[in-house]
Amino acid sequence: NAGVTQTPKFQVLKTGQSMTLQCAQDMNHNSMYWYRQDPGMGLRLIYYSASEGTTDKGEVPNGYNVSRLNKREFSLRLESAAPSQTSVYFCASFRGGSYNSPLHFGNGTRLTVT
Amino acid sequence: AQSVTQPDIHITVSEGASLELRCNYSYGATPYLFWYVQSPGQGLQLLLKYFSGDTLVQGIKGFEAEFKRSQSSFNLRKPSVHWSDAAEYFCAVGDYGGATNKLIFGTGTLLAVQP
Repeated sequence: NAGVTQTPKFQVLKTGQSMTLQCAQDMNHNSMYWYRQDPGMGLRLIYYSASEGTTDKGEVPNGYNVSRLNKREFSLRLESAAPSQTSVYFCASFRGGSYNSPLHFGNGTRLTVT
Repeated sequence: AQSVTQPDIHITVSEGASLELRCNYSYGATPYLFWYVQSPGQGLQLLLKYFSGDTLVQGIKGFEAEFKRSQSSFNLRKPSVHWSDAAEYFCAVGDYGGATNKLIFGTGTLLAVQP
């Protein structure tokens, strides 16, 4: 029972490089989320997807793109990485239909942009 | 706009002492409130949640939280802290929309436990 799986766990990029963070969930959840965590700022929502084929901006979407490839997978792409994107990125999923079910989080991807 | 405030950035308590972590929220409708814990290098684990009903909510690991609408607060408590409780704690309010539940997090409180 893997839950929410994020890859890679760690990544170092040079400014201007691109990369895609992968997220997959095996709980048949409908909605998925990408957050970034920075010291002293908590977690902030980047993008989310209410269902397969739909995506919406969150609080801090600039510099990112997302793809909801299918119900299981939700990827986050940095087209041209900047040092300000150094952060820990968390993916989460939510079953939907009831506020009583919690969000499930992955273990995060630690990204450093030099 | 919805927001969550955790006034204490860092708290140190002695093992065996009681703990209270503060959380204040701003939300127009009935708030769905959560406490999550994050151990170093790990993801977030749900401690407890409040939606309605009894304002004192029990969670895992011996934690509880009390919802006080008049004070817009949802403080987390534990009667006796263990060294393994050292972690970062996040309060969140859920912006629930049927298919989605966008969590708005506070900035976190880092708990250190002294022997």
